[in-house]
Amino acid sequence: KNEVEQSPQNLTAQEGEFITINCSYSVGISALHWLQQHPGGGIVSLFMLSSGKKKHGRLIATINIQEKHSSLHITASHPRDSAVYICALNLLYGNEKLTFGTGTRLTIIP
Amino acid sequence: EPEVTQTPSHQVTQMGQEVILRCVPISNHLYFYWYRQILGQKVEFLVSFYNNEISEKSEIFDDQFSVERPDGSNFTLKIRSTKLEDSAMYFCASSTTGGLPDTQYFGPGTRLTVL
Repeated sequence: KNEVEQSPQNLTAQEGEFITINCSYSVGISALHWLQQHPGGGIVSLFMLSSGKKKHGRLIATINIQEKHSSLHITASHPRDSAVYICALNLLYGNEKLTFGTGTRLTIIP
Repeated sequence: EPEVTQTPSHQVTQMGQEVILRCVPISNHLYFYWYRQILGQKVEFLVSFYNNEISEKSEIFDDQFSVERPDGSNFTLKIRSTKLEDSAMYFCASSTTGGLPDTQYFGPGTRLTVL
């Protein structure tokens, strides 16, 4: 069983729609990361969370430690948001390495 | 804004050859990582490095692999006797701290193709 599961695997939406991507995990963690992987392959860190909620521009990330669940929201989505969004974990006793989910491929249609 | 750089962007090699992938982490960062992503699969941790020694390594990181920080700026991954299944995108990352969760900054990756 994967330690981290993301849903949906693929998501296509119209420009302007509100987007939600989910991440569930089955292990103890010290932090959860949301990352964006561009079509060219590069990976950019969006958020690191250990509790609550963080916001940066049109992106909002939340985490519920008790339910072992996190969501990434994108408001007023734009075609440039098209990318793969990856949830990754710092395991509780896993030191600094990241354990990655399989990602959600988001496509925003103009 | 400081960034992690990697060279080359694409490396093609024959099976059995040795390759060295190079990374220049962000200058004030102390922790360095290599990850790989086989095409169509998720990113996997290979190794973390701190204070000139390996901090943690995965089961993937066997005797075929080695890492080195030969000077104050470069961080290298050497793959000896490459196999077809080593074909992947290899990402270097760095962070200011380790042990505690910290944002990791990723390089653009090196696409390794083993023929």
